[in-house]
Amino acid sequence: AQKITQTQPGMFVQEKEAVTLDCTYDTSDQSYGLFWYKQPSSGEMIFLIYQGSYDEQNATEGRYSLNFQKARKSANLVISASQLGDSAMYFCAMREGLGSSGSARQLTFGSGTQLTVLP
Amino acid sequence: DTGVSQDPRHKITKRGQNVTFRCDPISEHNRLYWYRQTLGQGPEFLTYFQNEAQLEKSRLLSDRFSAERPKGSFSTLEIQRTEQGDSAMYLCASSLVNTIYFGEGSWLTVV
Repeated sequence: AQKITQTQPGMFVQEKEAVTLDCTYDTSDQSYGLFWYKQPSSGEMIFLIYQGSYDEQNATEGRYSLNFQKARKSANLVISASQLGDSAMYFCAMREGLGSSGSARQLTFGSGTQLTVLP
Repeated sequence: DTGVSQDPRHKITKRGQNVTFRCDPISEHNRLYWYRQTLGQGPEFLTYFQNEAQLEKSRLLSDRFSAERPKGSFSTLEIQRTEQGDSAMYLCASSLVNTIYFGEGSWLTVV
């Protein structure tokens, strides 16, 4: 089974509107982290937002918020007030087994969602 | 600039040649990762260092690939006898605790 599933290969949104990018995950670990990255055409993977499995509040970073629904194993990214510069590929990723030892397991990525913001 | 830096950003090489990529992580980050990304896909894990120790290697890392981090600071990824299937972007990342920060990547084209 896929560990990270992003079901939207492409999304369009009108400038200034909000958009939600879907992400579901699969893990048996109790302690894990969920990440969203933005990758513009230049290739750089830009960190956007992080949610720990034990965090009670949904993470927010400026115009980005993570809608974390643990029971449904979903971690959707919400971008408010879309801008033309938001057009990029967006990846959801998970890091399992964080644990108290701080073991640094690698990230597992989804296949991404290409977001296009329309003027 | 205090982010993760990679060099070179682009490399075109003939099949059979060796190539080496360098990664300078964020200062004081003790953990360093290499990933590979092909067009239309998410990055795939290759290998991980904690300080100078290489603690984990993916099955994707064939015998032609070798990575080092000799002093626990910068790292190199060498690909020997390159094949066309090695064409991809090679991403380096570093972390201190939870969040992993990526560099801009090194694009490799094998012709």
